[in-house]
This record gives sequence, C-alpha cells and structure tokens, in this order.
Amino acid sequence: QVQLVESGGGLVKPGGSLRLSCAASGFTFSDYYMSWIRQAPGKGLEWVSYITNTGSTIYYADSVKGRFTISRDNAKNSLYLQMNSLRAEDTAVYYCAQKAGYFDHWGQGTLVTVSS
Amino acid sequence: DIQMTQSPSTLSASVGDRVTITCRASQSISSWLAWYQQKPGKAPKLLIYEASNLESGVPSRFSGSGSGTEFTLTISSLQPDDFATYYCQQYYTLYTFGQGTKLEIK
Repeated sequence: QVQLVESGGGLVKPGGSLRLSCAASGFTFSDYYMSWIRQAPGKGLEWVSYITNTGSTIYYADSVKGRFTISRDNAKNSLYLQMNSLRAEDTAVYYCAQKAGYFDHWGQGTLVTVSS
Repeated sequence: DIQMTQSPSTLSASVGDRVTITCRASQSISSWLAWYQQKPGKAPKLLIYEASNLESGVPSRFSGSGSGTEFTLTISSLQPDDFATYYCQQYYTLYTFGQGTKLEIK
C-alpha cells in the first residue's frame, strides 16, 4: 500500500532554514507527480509546491516562491522541500501528497515551528 | 488566482440527518473539484474527485455534484464517524482549497 513518511520538521528561528524529506513506498515513485501541502495550526489547507515525475516542471505558491525549493530523488524514492528565509507565518504541519491535481494519498505530516 | 468559498463554516447536525455543504469557485473550474474529510490530528482523506466521482472505499452515503462554479457535497444519512471538517479543492488552475466546513454533533 502507498506510504508517505515526512521528516525534518522542528523549531527554527525566523530567517532560518530547514529541509523536509518525504520517504515514499508502495508505488512506483518515479511515475508520479508529488506535492507539498501545509496547514497552519487551527487553519485550513494551503498547497505549497509540486514537481513532475521527472523533476522537469515545478510550481510554487506565491507565498513561498523564491524561498522554498522542491526536489526529488527517484533513485531514493524521496521528495524534499528546502525552506529558507523562514517566517512566523510558515509555521504549519507540512504534508507530502501523491500526485498533483487531486491528492489521493497523504503522509502523516511534520510540524515546522518558526519562532524566536 | 481562483478563490474557493465554502458554506456554511460550521454545521450542526444529528446522526441520521441529510447534510449538504456548498463550495463556490470565483471562476468556472469545469468539474475539476475534489472533496476531503479531515479529523483532528490526521491528514485529509480524499472523498470525491472530478466533482462527483467517489473515491474507492468511501461509503456511498457521500456524494458530490455540480460543475462550473457551484458544487455540493451531500451526506445522505450522517453516521457518528462523519463528524469532521470537510474541504473542497479546485485543480483547474494549480490548486486552491476552501476554508473548510466543520460538521459538529447537534
């Protein structure tokens, strides 16, 4: 069965950096577009970024453009999100999700807290 | 950017009730709409895609309808497990979620 496991979250100071990882299993990772979606505490869902299966095309939400970088390693069945210049408003649970379009499989999420 | 607006924000209902949640898009999105259920501390779960297609394994009491700018999610007979927050999401142009509808026990 499809399994997505995020890691790398934690507490970081404003202006700091963090790299999230998502380990995928149970499907042919290299066949699928992948996405990051976040949810601030007590708030709704916000799509962050997606990457095509080959990594050739990438899109970002305006709120993270220029600060976040999505990437993948198909040989390691892994998805990444490099987050730089972090702000308090980036505090959220970050989910990786299979596909781009509607999201039929999600990880359990990893919490990123940006605070001094 | 396409904005998605759900109504109501909160809905109080009883087991056995029929409930409807509405989602409106700021421009036409054809049928490129999904619905999710989320419980506290858990990841969202896909219920409906392409406005009316039931995801595999989702009970048939859930149904979706609509196209263009107005969509509905209907639960025909509420079960205890259905009390949760529901989100719509468009995927016509990138991706936008509605603000959510919290379904509470009356």
